[in-house]
Amino acid sequence: DSGVTQTPKHLITATGQRVTLRCSPRSGDLSVYWYQQSLDQGLQFLIQYYNGEERAKGNILERFSAQQFPDLHSELNLSSLELGDSALYFCASSVGTLLDSPLHFGNGTRLTVT
Amino acid sequence: AQTVTQSQPEMSVQEAETVTLSCTYDTSESNYYLFWYKQPPSRQMILVIRQEAYKQQNATENRFSVNFQKAAKSFSLKISDSQLGDTAMYFCAFMKAQGGSEKLVFGKGTKLTVNP
Repeated sequence: DSGVTQTPKHLITATGQRVTLRCSPRSGDLSVYWYQQSLDQGLQFLIQYYNGEERAKGNILERFSAQQFPDLHSELNLSSLELGDSALYFCASSVGTLLDSPLHFGNGTRLTVT
Repeated sequence: AQTVTQSQPEMSVQEAETVTLSCTYDTSESNYYLFWYKQPPSRQMILVIRQEAYKQQNATENRFSVNFQKAAKSFSLKISDSQLGDTAMYFCAFMKAQGGSEKLVFGKGTKLTVNP
C-alpha cells in the first residue's frame, strides 16, 4: 500500500457529464501529481500541485481542472466528458522534489464514458 | 520536448532466467533522471529503480539493474533470476533535473510475462 488514496475506484458516466476524482496524498507529502493512462496515449502527465499551488502543467485539456486544498487533498474535475476521456486516472504524491524523494502512486480511478 | 521509446511492447521469460527491457530517450538536457516503474495487474505504479544522469555508475536494486549509456541515450533494465511476481507492465520514464516543476515523461511500456 503506497498510502495514496484515490476515490472512487471506478466511475461510469455518460458523455457531456462532469465528474470529480479525489486524491488523498501520503501523510506528510506536499506534492500531488495527476496522470492519465489510456491505451493509445500511454501515461500522460496532467498537472502538479505543491502545498496548494499549481507547480506544473502538462497535457491537461481546458475541460479539465484541478486543485489542492489546505489539507493537501486534491481533486481533478473533468467536464463535458467525451468518449476519449475514458482512461485510468492516477494520482501520485511525494514529500518534496522528485530529485530527492520517490513518487508514490495511488491505485487509480477507472473512468468509463459511455 | 523529451520523448521516451520502449521498442518492445511485449516480452516473456522463463522463471529464474534473466531478461533485459530496452528504453531509449531523446533530450537536449545534460542533467536529468531516469526511472523504471512497474505496474502489476493490481495497476498500482511502483518505482523499481532510479538513475541520475550525472552518475557514471549504473544503479542496482537487488535483482534489478540498469545499463545506462548516456551518449547513446539508452537506459535498459535487467531483471535477474526472474520471479512470477515480476509479471507486470514496465515503464521507462524521464525527468529533467530542475527543482519545482517536475514532470515525468513515460514510454508506452513493455508487458513482461514470467512463465513457470
